[in-house]
Amino acid sequence: AQSVAQPEDQVNVAEGNPLTVKCTYSVSGNPYLFWYVQYPNRGLQFLLKYITGDNLVKGSYGFEAEFNKSQTSFHLKKPSALVSDSALYFCAETYNDYKLSFGAGTTVTVRA
Amino acid sequence: DTGVSQNPRHKITKRGQNVTFRCDPISEHNRLYWYRQTLGQGPEFLTYFQNEAQLEKSRLLSDRFSAERPKGSFSTLEIQRTEQGDSAMYLCASSLKTGSGANVLTFGAGSRLTVL
Repeated sequence: AQSVAQPEDQVNVAEGNPLTVKCTYSVSGNPYLFWYVQYPNRGLQFLLKYITGDNLVKGSYGFEAEFNKSQTSFHLKKPSALVSDSALYFCAETYNDYKLSFGAGTTVTVRA
Repeated sequence: DTGVSQNPRHKITKRGQNVTFRCDPISEHNRLYWYRQTLGQGPEFLTYFQNEAQLEKSRLLSDRFSAERPKGSFSTLEIQRTEQGDSAMYLCASSLKTGSGANVLTFGAGSRLTVL
């Protein structure tokens, strides 16, 4: 069973609009949190991670994520989406330094 | 070094046959991981190595599965007597262990297995 939840299978936005991909993590403990993106026929690519400290984490390609402990959430955001952001996004957590637990993924489609 | 390389990219086999996948990690990375991804799901951890030592195996890894990293460089994942339920994408990743406790994994493009 996956302890990381991505409640939306699909997210559709228009180019230029804000993009949010939701993720909630396990209630127990203080995990390290990650976002990865997967393009067709390519490996998962790291976007950003949260370890500790500042709740707003900035990552690659203009993405950022906000850690919210009270809501156990780690939503991925981008202020202005591009068509090239269309991909499959995965949230992941770990309580150690070797085993990631991934969510089921959210397919993002950005229409021109 | 162009990243993590996996071969073959696709493998179609008949039930009961053995298959082997190879992973070449980023050369300076001392950790290597295998994950499995089925359609509509996120990757699931199978096993990992630090240098040549296999440090943990998931319960998902039945006795038919074996992974090796003989010289601490490339790794192989062998599945014996394949079953249709083994059909999946097998992902390899590597990382450089740091003291931060949050290693960033670099993934290969995966090896897709189809068992007929």
